[in-house]
Amino acid sequence: DAMVIQNPRYQVTQFGKPVTLSCSQTLNHNVMYWYQQKSSQAPKLLFHYYDKDFNNEADTPDNFQSRRPNTSFCFLDIRSPGLGDAAMYLCATSRRTGYADTQYFGPGTRLTVL
Amino acid sequence: GENVGLHLPTLSVQEGDNSIINCAYSNSASDYFIWYKQESGKGPQFIIDIRSNMDKRQGQRVTVLLNKTVKHLSLQIAATQPGDSAVYFCAETVNFGNEKLTFGTGTRLTIIP
Repeated sequence: DAMVIQNPRYQVTQFGKPVTLSCSQTLNHNVMYWYQQKSSQAPKLLFHYYDKDFNNEADTPDNFQSRRPNTSFCFLDIRSPGLGDAAMYLCATSRRTGYADTQYFGPGTRLTVL
Repeated sequence: GENVGLHLPTLSVQEGDNSIINCAYSNSASDYFIWYKQESGKGPQFIIDIRSNMDKRQGQRVTVLLNKTVKHLSLQIAATQPGDSAVYFCAETVNFGNEKLTFGTGTRLTIIP
């Protein structure tokens, strides 16, 4: 049973054309994360939501935005994709019980920028 | 800055043999560690975790060892199978409200039939 769902699995966009990636979860977890993972590299955290509180990483470009309209859904918006933004984008969730908690990842969306 | 790194970027193991993947970390404040397996084209999959109050934890065919003295973490996979071929990442974080995971570089494990 899928717990963290990402759509689409593959996304092709043109240079500069805005794109939105979607993540949903059935775990009712408090925290949702977005990571960028380039080929043969470790995932890099872009930002995360703890409930409705947004936490941006200091080195995340302004080109990347996120929305979390409710507990289940979180979106990653790339306002003007560049060639360097081509990557796998991973969504993850965790409960956040006050202790560091396991993060569960979705299958990822592979973004291609033409 | 703080980092989590791996000694070996690639590892090839004969099917049926045991494998050991190593990870070094430098943040002495880290107290929760996770191993993830990532198959090609998929998201990381949780394998096993360990908290800093433990030295060893066992799962099904996997064992994680933690040596806080030398800041070293290892993942042992027993009786490897072709399905174990993947990239393995260690990740660390600090307890009490720090949700940020810091991932290591990753080790590609290839099981040779």
